[in-house]
Amino acid sequence: DTEVTQTPKHLVMGMTNKKSLKCEQHMGHRAMYWYKQKAKKPPELMFVYSYEKLSINESVPSRFSPECPNSSLLNLHLHALQPEDSALYLCASSQNLFGLGFGQTNGYTFGSGTRLTVV
Amino acid sequence: GENVEQHPSTLSVQEGDSAVIKCTYSDSASNYFPWYKQELGKGPQLIIDIRSNVGEKKDQRIAVTLNKTAKHFSLHITETQPEDSAVYFCAASLYTGANSKLTFGKGITLSVRP
Repeated sequence: DTEVTQTPKHLVMGMTNKKSLKCEQHMGHRAMYWYKQKAKKPPELMFVYSYEKLSINESVPSRFSPECPNSSLLNLHLHALQPEDSALYLCASSQNLFGLGFGQTNGYTFGSGTRLTVV
Repeated sequence: GENVEQHPSTLSVQEGDSAVIKCTYSDSASNYFPWYKQELGKGPQLIIDIRSNVGEKKDQRIAVTLNKTAKHFSLHITETQPEDSAVYFCAASLYTGANSKLTFGKGITLSVRP
């Protein structure tokens, strides 16, 4: 399995709702990421997990709450979002960043994303 | 922090011609440079990457070159086909282990005319 699977593919939520985005990979990757992508823009990093521990939070508002229950799963919990949070949310994973040898790469594998609309 | 510039924002080529997309980066410590292709409705897909200890890398019709002195790297696509039409993002990263971060360029929309 060489894929990152994201569910749901589309999500419409109200500003008072609580919802969760899910991401799963079975490639043995120990780094997982959440990115946000607005239309015609590059992906913007939100969070990095390494060995199930949060290693980077790019000053993301607390209405976004990440969780990494195990090495294969990554969740993004959403609460009290604003319409401007509407975007494509991408999950990615990469190899164990420690111990990469010469010639190896830390290329990310991205999922297809969740298209989120906040109304 | 790292800043990656990608120009132009759009590129149109005739099928069969070559396409070259250029990026510059600001942090001389960056040591990993991937290129991603993103088709409509899909996530970015890694198409080729290069590390700073290599000047050029090829994979069939795709090649990437890196000039560390000038801090720029380029994607070369030969014999372009309509299915190469997509948005292409370059990125740069300083590999530091657990805290590796990719910084993306703004992306270029490549159109291959049949």
